[in-house]
Amino acid sequence: QVQLHQWGAGPLKPSETLSLTCAVYGGSFNDYYWTWIRQAPGEGLEWIGEVNRYGGTNYNPSLKNRVTISIDTSENQFSLKLTSVTAADTAVYYCARADPSSYDSSFYSVWGQGTLVTVAS
Amino acid sequence: QSVLTQPPSMSGAPGQRVIISCTGRISNIGTGYDVQWYQQLPGTAPKILIYGNNNRPSGVPDRFSGSKSGTSASLAISGLQAEDEAHYYCQTYDNSVRAWVFGGGTKLTVL
Repeated sequence: QVQLHQWGAGPLKPSETLSLTCAVYGGSFNDYYWTWIRQAPGEGLEWIGEVNRYGGTNYNPSLKNRVTISIDTSENQFSLKLTSVTAADTAVYYCARADPSSYDSSFYSVWGQGTLVTVAS
Repeated sequence: QSVLTQPPSMSGAPGQRVIISCTGRISNIGTGYDVQWYQQLPGTAPKILIYGNNNRPSGVPDRFSGSKSGTSASLAISGLQAEDEAHYYCQTYDNSVRAWVFGGGTKLTVL
């Protein structure tokens, strides 16, 4: 059974860099896109971006200038960095595995436990 | 403002059937991308409920079903139970925004 466990530093001050890491336990690490999704307090879900085993990435255009997602296949881990954070980046951040439902569509079948990151001065 | 529109809230009595809508655009559901549905209980991560428009993962009761037509999709829940009280989100890809997108979510209350 695949499990994702995530961790990272917080709270943060405005202009600092958010860093989170997600470890994958069980199952194949190489056959999926690995994803970060966030949820602001009381709000809906927002896709941040994804990475594959080759290090290929896709990012949400609304965050693209500030986001880097990387992968370490030797450790079965992937990471998120978000620079120049503001209060608007306060959210629960989730890591997740993207499974294909068809050749051009994916769904998130396994999720991490979530990490609340608060940005405040 | 999400490119996928869901009613913010819905309610139903135990045993009733409710249908949650997800209205999209030509650039997402209308293009043919699959619609996925998630259930989120308070304080927990979302859980996949329906994938590929109308497929249930193992362990999801057959009271839950999904459908898609044109630029919209729906999640139907029959035989409503107290444990179904949660937030529900639809998700797909949008080729105009060039991102995976979620609906704003629907809070379902079981009366």
